[in-house]
Amino acid sequence: NAGVMQNPRHLVRRRGQEARLRCSPMKGHSHVYWYRQLPEEGLKFMVYLQKENIIDESGMPKERFSAEFPKEGPSILRIQQVVRGDSAAYFCASSPRDSFTSYEQYFGPGTRLTVT
Amino acid sequence: RKEVEQDPGPFNVPEGATVAFNCTYSNSASQSFFWYRQDCRKEPKLLMSVYSSGNEDGRFTAQLNRASQYISLLIRDSKLSDSATYLCVAQTSGTYKYIFGTGTRLKVLA
Repeated sequence: NAGVMQNPRHLVRRRGQEARLRCSPMKGHSHVYWYRQLPEEGLKFMVYLQKENIIDESGMPKERFSAEFPKEGPSILRIQQVVRGDSAAYFCASSPRDSFTSYEQYFGPGTRLTVT
Repeated sequence: RKEVEQDPGPFNVPEGATVAFNCTYSNSASQSFFWYRQDCRKEPKLLMSVYSSGNEDGRFTAQLNRASQYISLLIRDSKLSDSATYLCVAQTSGTYKYIFGTGTRLKVLA
């Protein structure tokens, strides 16, 4: 029973390039969350998606960041024109329940983005 | 003021000791609480859910005090393998996102 999968595990980008991070939720889970953990800081919520819908993107920076969760395939977090401050660990989590019930979230191994 | 606050530590304790962490939350609408464990550079792993008055799982006990808006985690008979960062999480009913504390570092010494 595979857990949450993320790839790549490590990603190096030069300033100005684009970064694409992928997340496949656990089997049977249709709710995906993205969190960012800056060095020496706690995890911060970015966005919550269901299939083909963005439910809450209140934690996403207004520019350069976007997320999607298509009907087929993994969820994608996309960062355009990366800057050094985007260097962080990006964790994806999935949950089997909808937005109106509290439920545990299960985390993937994360993608460590380094911007040079 | 942070929505979820934890003492960052580190807590250095000998093997076999009992150690307790507290976490306070500011949003009184928070309904669900969790403790996660995070090892260095790894993903958070669910340790315990704390839904009502608390619960116990082996050497771990979590308590919730709604009046004072804090939750606690007690670890008995500490093992070297308990060394990690413990993350406190609050989740508000009707929403879905987690609000994390910055974590409390525990180091269990031989």
